[in-house]
Amino acid sequence: TQLLEQSPQFLSIQEGENLTVYCNSSSVFSSLQWYRQEPGEGPVLLVTVVTGGEVKKLKRLTFQFGDARKDSSLHITAAQPGDTGLYLCAGSSNTGNQFYFGTGTSLTVIP
Amino acid sequence: DTGVSQNPRHKITKRGQNVTFRCDPISEHNRLYWYRQTLGQGPEFLTYFQNEAQLEKSRLLSDRFSAERPKGSFSTLEIQRTEQGDSAMYLCASSFPVMGTEAFFGQGTRLTVV
Repeated sequence: TQLLEQSPQFLSIQEGENLTVYCNSSSVFSSLQWYRQEPGEGPVLLVTVVTGGEVKKLKRLTFQFGDARKDSSLHITAAQPGDTGLYLCAGSSNTGNQFYFGTGTSLTVIP
Repeated sequence: DTGVSQNPRHKITKRGQNVTFRCDPISEHNRLYWYRQTLGQGPEFLTYFQNEAQLEKSRLLSDRFSAERPKGSFSTLEIQRTEQGDSAMYLCASSFPVMGTEAFFGQGTRLTVV
């Protein structure tokens, strides 16, 4: 079973601080997605990275896919209370049959 | 709204009752996935369909769980003889059948078994 591990599991920071969330696996993925989920809602797709070494920016969020396509990171600059939520990474297998989810990082940004 | 739709949003049932959830995927998507998520955890894969064919069901939690997608459009997930441990969020997602494509999720059905 492929497993994605995220760290940290919980993160509480002050508004305006920067943070990085990590997603690691021993398996290679054809692509990796990052989602944000609010309580009682389904995950909302933020970004998909496909190429090893790829970096994508979405406003204050920067996503990176590792060169070996086994890991990824999400960096948030100047965090805002609206960034609060559960951040999930999900890897797509080479057959595309499943999306394997990470354990999640619960982020709280304190005003 | 052309996103993934799940009904009902919330379901409270007594232990031992059967429940059925419905998922309407994005219309152009051939693949449909069911996941279960407990509080504070990432979604756990249950099963998936490509069109009407259920291509993976070994991860269904027990034989009390079953899923159908009879016409390759909407899907249902049924849990028979519910147990308190079945209480969770049940999520549906859909995608194109292209390797590496992303999945889009519905808002989920929150099941509470009392």
